[in-house]
Amino acid sequence: GAVVSQHPSRVICKSGTSVKIECRSLDFQATTMFWYRQFPKQSLMLMATSNEGSKATYEQGVEKDKFLINHASLTLSTLTVTSAHPEDSSFYICSARSLPRGAETQYFGPGTRLLVL
Amino acid sequence: GEDVEQSLFLSVREGDSSVINCTYTDSSSTYLYWYKQEPGAGLQLLTYIFSNMDMKQDQRLTVLLNKKDKHLSLRIADTQTGDSAIYFCAESGRSGNTGKLIFGQGTTLQVKP
Repeated sequence: GAVVSQHPSRVICKSGTSVKIECRSLDFQATTMFWYRQFPKQSLMLMATSNEGSKATYEQGVEKDKFLINHASLTLSTLTVTSAHPEDSSFYICSARSLPRGAETQYFGPGTRLLVL
Repeated sequence: GEDVEQSLFLSVREGDSSVINCTYTDSSSTYLYWYKQEPGAGLQLLTYIFSNMDMKQDQRLTVLLNKKDKHLSLRIADTQTGDSAIYFCAESGRSGNTGKLIFGQGTTLQVKP
């Protein structure tokens, strides 16, 4: 199946710093990527939809100035958590949309665990 | 609104069949999906079903769709300890062609040896 990678897999940072997370589709081109946040023992919460070459579309309640998304190419999207605070600590997962091979499917990255001290 | 509900926990013995259930609200969903998440990892697409199908079988996995009742189930035959994980169902909802998915809260499957 399609492969999506994320980097880094785990990051610990101090409060007030910014953290960049990369999401790459390794063997297909993804015009659309999605960023999710997952709290412990909870489902995925969609944060934003990232389209190559255009501005990201953010879900209600997600601060666009806090979570900067850049989708510079068909294989790379980045999420930057600016001025991170402890409440931003979470598991961030990206997915990339693979257009029809019988179905629209999303392939997920392995996730990035962010801990803000 | 769009909503997907799942039971939170299921425990089975190794070798038994597991059935994970899901209900959804949006009848316009074109595809319904099952994803598996192992601890500390992202989601792995297990299978999907098109909304005009009633059943889909793929090796040990069987998906049943009751569109009238908006009920989706995933049956895992001969459940193994490696099947222990969280299983999420998801629907495409009213997103049209945006690709947005709505996830259930996940069912934790515990397989006892």
